[in-house]
Amino acid sequence: EAQVTQNPRYLITVTGKKLTVTCSQNMNHEYMSWYRQDPGLGLRQIYYSMNVEVTDKGDVPEGYKVSRKEKRNFPLILESPSPNQTSLYFCASSLFPPAESRWTGPLHFGNGTRLTVT
Amino acid sequence: GQNIDQPTEMTATEGAIVQINCTYQTSGFNGLFWYQQHAGEAPTFLSYNVLDGLEEKGRFSSFLSRSKGYSYLLLKELQMKDSASYLCAALKGGYQKVTFGTGTKLQVIP
Repeated sequence: EAQVTQNPRYLITVTGKKLTVTCSQNMNHEYMSWYRQDPGLGLRQIYYSMNVEVTDKGDVPEGYKVSRKEKRNFPLILESPSPNQTSLYFCASSLFPPAESRWTGPLHFGNGTRLTVT
Repeated sequence: GQNIDQPTEMTATEGAIVQINCTYQTSGFNGLFWYQQHAGEAPTFLSYNVLDGLEEKGRFSSFLSRSKGYSYLLLKELQMKDSASYLCAALKGGYQKVTFGTGTKLQVIP
C-alpha cells in the first residue's frame, strides 16, 4: 500500500532532550516536506527536500533540522526542544517538487505526530 | 507570502448544500488545492484546479477563477461525516511549497 509513515504518533518529552520524528514513504517520491499545525495558524512548512541530499528551509525552520540521506526517509530532528514546539507535525511527499513542470500533485500526508514538550 | 483567506467556521444542515470560499493572492499563482481534514487526522486530497471553471467529483465540486483570485468548494447532499476542516492551499510558481490557509471548520447538523 502506497503511504507516508510517521513515527511516533504521540510523543511527550521535556525541554532540551533531543528527539527525532521519522518519516518514510514507499512511493519513490522525490519531494518531501515537514509541516506543523497549530490552532488558528494552519499548516506551516518547516523544511522541505527536493531529492536526496537537497534540503531547504520553509517558513518556520528555527529549532529544527532535517536530513535526506535516502530517498524514502526524511527525519525531523529537534536538537533542544522547547515548549513552543508543542504541535501537531505532518510529513508530506509528492512525486515531483511543486515548482517543476512535471508536478502533478497532490501532496500525500502521513498520519501526524502529536508532540508535547514540557 | 501567499495570503490565503477562508472563513473560520461554517454550519450547515444534513442533506443541504454548502459553499466554502477561498481567496488568494494572484501573483505567480499556479494552482489551487482543497483538502479535507478530520480532527487530529491527516489532510486528505479532494481537488486540484489549475484552469478556470468548475470540476465535479461526486458530491464535491471545486471552482476556480484565476483573474479574481477566488475559489470555492461545493459540497452537496451533506452527510454527518462531512463535518471536518476544509483546507484551501495554493501553489505559487517558482516556489517549492504548497501554502495552506488556516482552514474552514464545517459542522453538519441534523
